[in-house]
Amino acid sequence: AQSVAQPEDQVNVAEGNPLTVKCTYSVSGNPYLFWYVQYPNRGLQFLLKYITGDNLVKGSYGFEAEFNKSQTSFHLKKPSALVSDSALYFCAVRGWDTGNQFYFGTGTSLTVIP
Amino acid sequence: EAGVAQSPRYKIIEKRQSVAFWCNPISGHATLYWYQQILGQGPKLLIQFQNNGVVDDSQLPKDRFSAERLKGVDSTLKIQPAKLEDSAVYLCASGREAKNIQYFGAGTRLSVL
Repeated sequence: AQSVAQPEDQVNVAEGNPLTVKCTYSVSGNPYLFWYVQYPNRGLQFLLKYITGDNLVKGSYGFEAEFNKSQTSFHLKKPSALVSDSALYFCAVRGWDTGNQFYFGTGTSLTVIP
Repeated sequence: EAGVAQSPRYKIIEKRQSVAFWCNPISGHATLYWYQQILGQGPKLLIQFQNNGVVDDSQLPKDRFSAERLKGVDSTLKIQPAKLEDSAVYLCASGREAKNIQYFGAGTRLSVL
């Protein structure tokens, strides 16, 4: 069965510092991996995806993520955090052995401190 | 392009009452999803449509939840009767299957008292 784990409920980082939001996954076969961001009272917004190819994926707003097959991880990163990056971040995986559902993690709340 | 529209934004009902949510996807998107997001959790898929056909409804509590997408465009999700544990945000998303990207509406926040 597919699953996604986001081990940190909360991440705090100072403005200008690099940020990392962690995600590990479990899926049969090749994973399709995604990051979404959710601002208060808004729906989720797509940031980036990994389907195949280069393990380093670049997305919106300067975010990137690295697919690591051996560690089954897909951590979200940004070299320099902005206060406006403060939001809820969700990792998701799409699996193919039980339909083609998207499975979302429980989310990580990122706070960037001015 | 216009985003995914959902209404109402908020709804408060008493348990055992009925409620319906409406979703208008982005024009041209054949795939439509309904998710339930309980506070502190990630979205959980309830049902997925491809045009007006159901692709996956394995996690839809069919004894009380129903959904339809009659003309392959708008969709409604209904709960009848509601339970306290149905309190959540109900998210609608649409997309093009080949792109693997979902576009979400702002959601409907349901409170069951």
